[in-house]
Amino acid sequence: AQSVTQPDIHITVSEGASLELRCNYSYGATPYLFWYVQSPGQGLQLLLKYFSGDTLVQGIKGFEAEFKRSQSSFNLRKPSVHWSDAAEYFCALQAGTALIFGKGTTLSVSS
Amino acid sequence: DTGVSQDPRHKITKRGQNVTFRCDPISEHNRLYWYRQTLGQGPEFLTYFQNEAQLEKSRLLSDRFSAERPKGSFSTLEIQRTEQGDSAMYLCASSPPGSGANVLTFGAGSRLTVL
Repeated sequence: AQSVTQPDIHITVSEGASLELRCNYSYGATPYLFWYVQSPGQGLQLLLKYFSGDTLVQGIKGFEAEFKRSQSSFNLRKPSVHWSDAAEYFCALQAGTALIFGKGTTLSVSS
Repeated sequence: DTGVSQDPRHKITKRGQNVTFRCDPISEHNRLYWYRQTLGQGPEFLTYFQNEAQLEKSRLLSDRFSAERPKGSFSTLEIQRTEQGDSAMYLCASSPPGSGANVLTFGAGSRLTVL
């Protein structure tokens, strides 16, 4: 079955600290993977995507993600978190014309 | 380019009433998608249009739901005889010709509350 799992519902990180959000997927072929961010009152914004090639993908706002086929993972990272990064983050997998989203991880940033 | 617009942003209705949401995609985008997001969940795919043709519908789209895109521009999503379980954020997204779900621009959503 095709699915995306985000094991962490809520994470709190101190401002300036590093961040890693976990994402695991289940898919029978080479996946197309995405990370989106959703802030209150705003639409989902694409941070980065992986289709093929280099397994370390750079995105906007200083985010990066690493695709690890052996672990079926696509974890999102940022070396230094800013207060404005507080939001909900969704990992997604393309399955045909649709995206399958995980349940999301809410990021809180403490000062 | 004003992005994907959705209207209304918030709708409160009583159970049993009909509601309609409108989505205006980015003008040059011929592909349009509807997703539903309930509290604590990620968005779930509902349906997909290419131009005016509705090419795919999810099992989530019960017979109380109908989506249209009559002229291949804006789209409407109507829910008839609303139920409390329909309370959710309804998201619209669009993508340009030749692309697909990998190049989506989402709107801010229409939040439905069914009392």
